[in-house]
Amino acid sequence: AQSVTQLDSQVPVFEEAPVELRCNYSSSVSVYLFWYVQYPNQGLQLLLKYLSGSTLVESINGFEAEFNKSQTSFHLRKPSVHISDTAEYFCAVMDSSYKLIFGSGTRLLVRP
Amino acid sequence: EPEVTQTPSHQVTQMGQEVILRCVPISNHLYFYWYRQILGQKVEFLVSFYNNEISEKSEIFDDQFSVERPDGSNFTLKIRSTKLEDSAMYFCASSPPFVYEQYFGPGTRLTVT
Repeated sequence: AQSVTQLDSQVPVFEEAPVELRCNYSSSVSVYLFWYVQYPNQGLQLLLKYLSGSTLVESINGFEAEFNKSQTSFHLRKPSVHISDTAEYFCAVMDSSYKLIFGSGTRLLVRP
Repeated sequence: EPEVTQTPSHQVTQMGQEVILRCVPISNHLYFYWYRQILGQKVEFLVSFYNNEISEKSEIFDDQFSVERPDGSNFTLKIRSTKLEDSAMYFCASSPPFVYEQYFGPGTRLTVT
């Protein structure tokens, strides 16, 4: 069965510092990978996705993630975070029946 | 921009009672899903629905659960006899044909007392 591991439950970081949120997956089939963000008291919003093609994918608000097949990873990065990036971030893989399998989430806490 | 909506935002019910959680998916979407997140745990898949029938369901989705698309817009999740362990945030999601993205609603927080 496919699974997603997010090793860091919480990542504190100062504003304007770079951040990396780690995600590793296990899958034996073609991989579709996603990062979702959940702001306080809100639902899940798609941040970015990897379906095929370029292994580096970017979001409109400065996040990027790189699909690394050999390391089975899809880490999320941002070179300079803002207070408004404080949220919970979920990595997910889509399985062969098109359902999402989520990691346990990483809480990004940006401090001034 | 179209959104998935869910009502109510918070539902409190007593153990053994029936609850219906409602979702309005995005209008041209054909695939519908329910997920749940128990406090402090992962978001878990419950059920997927396409063409007026269940496509797949998880082990969690036992006989106490049912889904329905009673009209062209609503998608409901019913829990017949709630248990304390059903307390969770329930998310509805939908996706259009030939697209792998799932669009999530804001969730309904269900509290069973």
